Amino acid sequence: DIQMTQSPSSLSASVGDRVTITCRASQGISNYLAWYQQKPGKVPKLLISAASTLQSGVPSRFSGSGSGTDFTLTISSLQPEDVATYYCQKYSSAPLTFGGGTKVEIK
Amino acid sequence: EVQLLESGGGLVQPGGSLRLSCAASGFTFSNFAMSWVRQAPGKGLEWVSALSGSGGSTYYADSVKGRFAISRDNSKNTLYLQMNSLRAEDTAVYYCAKCLQPGPPAYFDYWGQGALVSVSS
Repeated sequence: DIQMTQSPSSLSASVGDRVTITCRASQGISNYLAWYQQKPGKVPKLLISAASTLQSGVPSRFSGSGSGTDFTLTISSLQPEDVATYYCQKYSSAPLTFGGGTKVEIK
Repeated sequence: EVQLLESGGGLVQPGGSLRLSCAASGFTFSNFAMSWVRQAPGKGLEWVSALSGSGGSTYYADSVKGRFAISRDNSKNTLYLQMNSLRAEDTAVYYCAKCLQPGPPAYFDYWGQGALVSVSS
């Protein structure tokens, strides 16, 4: 099965900073990658599909890129409401594996 | 408005069984694959199982294969997860999630609020 590895597992950054989260697949998955945001005590929310397609209503400071095995989620200017854990998920084939998550905090 | 409402969670002893239900509304249920995703306390998301819109294709994580069974009743707009031979490591919040297309594999555009399953003696 394809493994999904996220890095870092946690990060602390200042408001306004550019934040980058990486997700690596153990085999190529084309662009079949989604990103989710889960705020503390809340249900996961879909941010990005097909590696780079921003979902309706998601702020434009979020962006995704990558294809094959290496993907990134970027927050161009970190805001206090972005405090959350972010997960990648591959959907090229079952199992629909999630990455381990990246916890983002404000410094 | 899409709504997914899980029920059936609770405390069960190791080796026991439990059936989760997910009542769906706000979309044409039979047109979309559905899935279960779980989250152990303080841990990350783990995909558990998925089912095509017709119910003809099922998929399971290795960790639950042979113990859990996913099903759906499209006439009742309801998704189920029958969980047998439960173990302590199955303790988690179980989310029902809607897929964006009729068949897995897919990603999830809507999630329920979750049902807590605790396996303990």
